[in-house]
Amino acid sequence: EVQLVESGGGLVQPGGSLRLSCAASGFTFSTYWMHWVRQTPGKGLVWVSRINSDGTGTSYADSVKGRFTISRDTAENALYLQMHDLRAEDTAVYYCARSGDNLLPHYWGQGTLVTVSS
Amino acid sequence: QSVVTQPPSASGTPGQRVTISCSGSSSNIGSNAVNWYQHLPGTAPKLLISTDKQRPSGVPARFSGSRSGTSASLAISGLQSEDEADYYCAAWDDSLNGVVFGGGTKLTVL
Repeated sequence: EVQLVESGGGLVQPGGSLRLSCAASGFTFSTYWMHWVRQTPGKGLVWVSRINSDGTGTSYADSVKGRFTISRDTAENALYLQMHDLRAEDTAVYYCARSGDNLLPHYWGQGTLVTVSS
Repeated sequence: QSVVTQPPSASGTPGQRVTISCSGSSSNIGSNAVNWYQHLPGTAPKLLISTDKQRPSGVPARFSGSRSGTSASLAISGLQSEDEADYYCAAWDDSLNGVVFGGGTKLTVL
């Protein structure tokens, strides 16, 4: 069974940093692209970033480019999102997702809440 | 504002058939596969339809998808109360080099 468990969310001040983690199990982690998707309170799902299966290729939404970095550790079966210079508009539930055959998100975690506020 | 457009709301009575549209452009839906997700507040989104019309294991046959040109649609037949949720379409966008989600459609079962 595919399991994705996010952690690392919390309250952070504007301008601060936070690192999210996603523990993956139930599949061969090194085979799949991984994504981060977020949902701002009361709004829809918004794609944040993706990383290819071997970690050599990444891409980001314009709203986080230059501030967020996605990475993965195959030995640990873990996905990360390092977030810097956080803003109020980054407040959201952040979901980790594993891709399917078409590289789009397929399996999702339960999410972790990030709140950016002073 | 999303580059992929969905109606913000839809509704139907139990047993009815409802459709949700998803309109994009040549850089996303016009050239790439579309997925559909069901999302209940506080839970993990669930994949309903993969690659335009494929139903993952466990998804009832009441759910179906299609894609034509730069648009896609999700149909739900035999509407049930437990279908009340938010529904999102998504596709890869070649220009943005990322995934684009529709704004989401809140389905109400009357």
